[in-house]
Amino acid sequence: QVHLVESGGGEAKPGRSLTLSCVASGFTFSNYGMHWVRQAPGKGLEWVALIWYDGSKTYYADSVKGRFTISRDNSKNTLYLEMGGLREEDSAKFYCVKDRGYGDPPDAFDVWGLGTTVTVSA
Amino acid sequence: DIQLTQSPSTLSASVGDTVTITCRASQSTNNYLAWYQQKPGKAPKLLMYKASILEAGVPSRFSGSGSGTECTLTISGLQPDDFATYYCQQYKSDFVTFGGGTRVEI
Repeated sequence: QVHLVESGGGEAKPGRSLTLSCVASGFTFSNYGMHWVRQAPGKGLEWVALIWYDGSKTYYADSVKGRFTISRDNSKNTLYLEMGGLREEDSAKFYCVKDRGYGDPPDAFDVWGLGTTVTVSA
Repeated sequence: DIQLTQSPSTLSASVGDTVTITCRASQSTNNYLAWYQQKPGKAPKLLMYKASILEAGVPSRFSGSGSGTECTLTISGLQPDDFATYYCQQYKSDFVTFGGGTRVEI
């Protein structure tokens, strides 16, 4: 069975950093693009970042560009999101998501993790 | 970025009804458009991609259509399990975007 399991969420103060991880299983991780998508409490879905299957290219939403870094370790079947300069508006549940294809270009998102919650508060 | 506007934002319906949700894009998506269903406290689930291709395991009462800048999701014969929030998403651009969501309620 295909699974994505996120971890690393928690509370942080504004300006601090946090790193999320996502361990994939049940599919050949290195063949697929991966994304992070977030959802603030009571709000809609916001795409955060994309990384190609081989990690060679990354793309970011304007709201996080320059503060967040998406990366992957295909030898460990793991996706990461390093979040720096956190703001209160970054508080959300963060989902690790599998692309249907390589990510080049992006395709629909066919597998979602359960999410990990980040709360940024002074 | 391609902006997506969903309508309506909330839809009241009954079991057995046929409902349609519209997703309008600020520019053509070339049908690189997907639909997701999300229930409270759960992760979204892919229903449809390329505007009209049903994801495996999704009931056939869900259908999608459209082209260019407007796509629709239709649920024919609403079932109790279908009361949820639905999101459209474009992936024509490397900068993926979602619509604001449509809540289908009883």
